This record gives sequence, C-alpha cells and structure tokens, in this order.
Amino acid sequence: DAMVIQNPRYQVTQFGKPVTLSCSQTLNHNVMYWYQQKSSQAPKLLFHYYDKDFNNEADTPDNFQSRRPNTSFCFLDIRSPGLGDAAMYLCATSRSGGAGEKLFFGSGTQLSVL
Amino acid sequence: KQEVTQIPAALSVPEGENLVLNCSFTDSAIYNLQWFRQDPGKGLTSLLLIQSSQREQTSGRLNASLDKSSGRSTLYIAASQPGDSATYLCASFDTGKLIFGQGTTLQVKP
Repeated sequence: DAMVIQNPRYQVTQFGKPVTLSCSQTLNHNVMYWYQQKSSQAPKLLFHYYDKDFNNEADTPDNFQSRRPNTSFCFLDIRSPGLGDAAMYLCATSRSGGAGEKLFFGSGTQLSVL
Repeated sequence: KQEVTQIPAALSVPEGENLVLNCSFTDSAIYNLQWFRQDPGKGLTSLLLIQSSQREQTSGRLNASLDKSSGRSTLYIAASQPGDSATYLCASFDTGKLIFGQGTTLQVKP
C-alpha cells in the first residue's frame, strides 16, 4: 500500500549527540513536511520541501536541518539535541501543496533526549 | 496570523452518546478545514476535509461542519464507541501550511 513511513519508531539520543530521523513515501508526492509535536501540544511545522526547494519556518531553530536526496526520502537532522527537543516528529506529504489537498502523515518518531 | 483553538482539551462520554467537538479559528478567510485523529503515540489520520466553499462533509458516523462567518467548525460523532477514543485535531490551511489546534482528547467509556 502507498504510504508514508518513518524510521525509527522510537529514538533515544544523548544530550548534544547528533541524530537523524528518516521519512520515506511511496505516494510520489511533491511536498514533504516535518512537524514537531510536544506532549499535549499542537503539531508545529519546522520546514517543508516542495520538490527540491527547501522552505524553512522563521522560528525553526538552526539546530534543525533537513535533506531530501530524492522524491521518496526526506531526513531530519538535529545537530545538537537538547532536552527541549524531546518530542514526536511527524513527517507528512501532499501531492502539490495546494490548499485543497489532504496531508498524509507517517506514524511519527518519538525522540527522547537523555 | 491564523490561530486555531479547540475547547475542551478533554472530554469523557458514555458509549452510545452523540457528541460534538469544537474548533475555532480567527481568520475567516480560510482555504479549508481538516479534521484528524491521533491515537496515543501515533501519527495523524485524516478524517474529513471541508473546502471553504462547503458547509459540511460526512463520512460514516462522522459529520464535520464549517461556518466561516462565526469562525467555527464542529465534528459530530454519532453513536460513539470505545474505539473512537483518541485525540481529535482540527487544522486550517493558511499560507501554504496547516495550522493545528491543540486537540480534544476523547474517551468513550464502555
């Protein structure tokens, strides 16, 4: 089945140790998003790719980076995780980013920072 | 800047009850309003998408309405079941991204 897949499901890292989260999609969608969701809070958009064009949200910390080597894969890199970066990270896709389109989400990666 | 609010944060009902979840938004010039379901520790599943030109959408026991003039959307769940227990989030599409509410966590007791 076409879907959005996030790996790993759970990730534990140490304070300050770089970590990479991955997302892949079989929908062939042009747009891929990364959201951060802290406990009992609304998901917050970090950045998105329209094809190869990277769009960073103004308030996304420099500590967060992203790579999209091809249509199917997108990575979230946290260069120096702090305790405040512990959260659920959600990857989503849409066909072209238009206003009338649904977003399709992966199951998320729950990040813990020790 | 669009802001989306969901009240209450949590709701508990007995099985079989019909219920309404509320979503408010500040900017009535929205493109669409989307409702999602999130199970504990999981990602989001899209339930219903209402375009700005529509007033409601239905899927099975779910009915979502949109009233732009009052800045409100509601999600109506008929004959609730324990399997409906989850967090329900609404989101408005604004300037290329979804703006989410904080969600209402629903518990349906057998």
